[in-house]
Amino acid sequence: TQLLEQSPQFLSIQEGENLTVYCNSSSVFSSLQWYRQEPGEGPVLLVTVVTGGEVKKLKRLTFQFGDARKDSSLHITAAQPGDTGLYLCAGAQGNEKLTFGTGTRLTIIP
Amino acid sequence: SAVISQKPSRDICQRGTSLTIQCQVDSQVTMMFWYRQQPGQSLTLIATANQGSEATYESGFVIDKFPISRPNLTFSTLTVSNMSPEDSSIYLCSVEGDPGSPLHFGNGTRLTVT
Repeated sequence: TQLLEQSPQFLSIQEGENLTVYCNSSSVFSSLQWYRQEPGEGPVLLVTVVTGGEVKKLKRLTFQFGDARKDSSLHITAAQPGDTGLYLCAGAQGNEKLTFGTGTRLTIIP
Repeated sequence: SAVISQKPSRDICQRGTSLTIQCQVDSQVTMMFWYRQQPGQSLTLIATANQGSEATYESGFVIDKFPISRPNLTFSTLTVSNMSPEDSSIYLCSVEGDPGSPLHFGNGTRLTVT
């Protein structure tokens, strides 16, 4: 079983601050996805990264896939209350089922 | 992207009873999955719902406890049988377009067993 460890597990910061969430594994993934889940809803895809070293930006969110395709990070600039939620990374190995990370619960305090 | 309707959205059930959760998709999809999410935690795959054949269960999950139906390419059900308080969780249906492509999720069923 491939494990995807996310850190931190919980994070509570003030509006306007920056933060980074990490997703680490000892396994190599062909792609890595990031989801955000809000209370009462299912996870929603934010981004997919495929190439080692790839960086993708989604407004104030920056996603990076590690060179070795074993890890990823999510950086949020100037966090807003709307960023509050559970962030999940998920790794894919070819056509195998996704492996979800342990999750990071983010709270942005107005 | 696929629109997934899952119901019920929540239920409170007594120990020893069973609950069937329905998942309806607005388009035909090949792959449908059922996940469990304990409060505040990540997702654990229960099984892959296969159309026209028995579901494929992950380690730790068995058909007698979580029977699954998949009569066609747009619908599936998950039954949580002989429930105990340990089954209290969120159950999520998800679908995948192409193999390895991102998943789309229903809003989940929050189950509380008393």
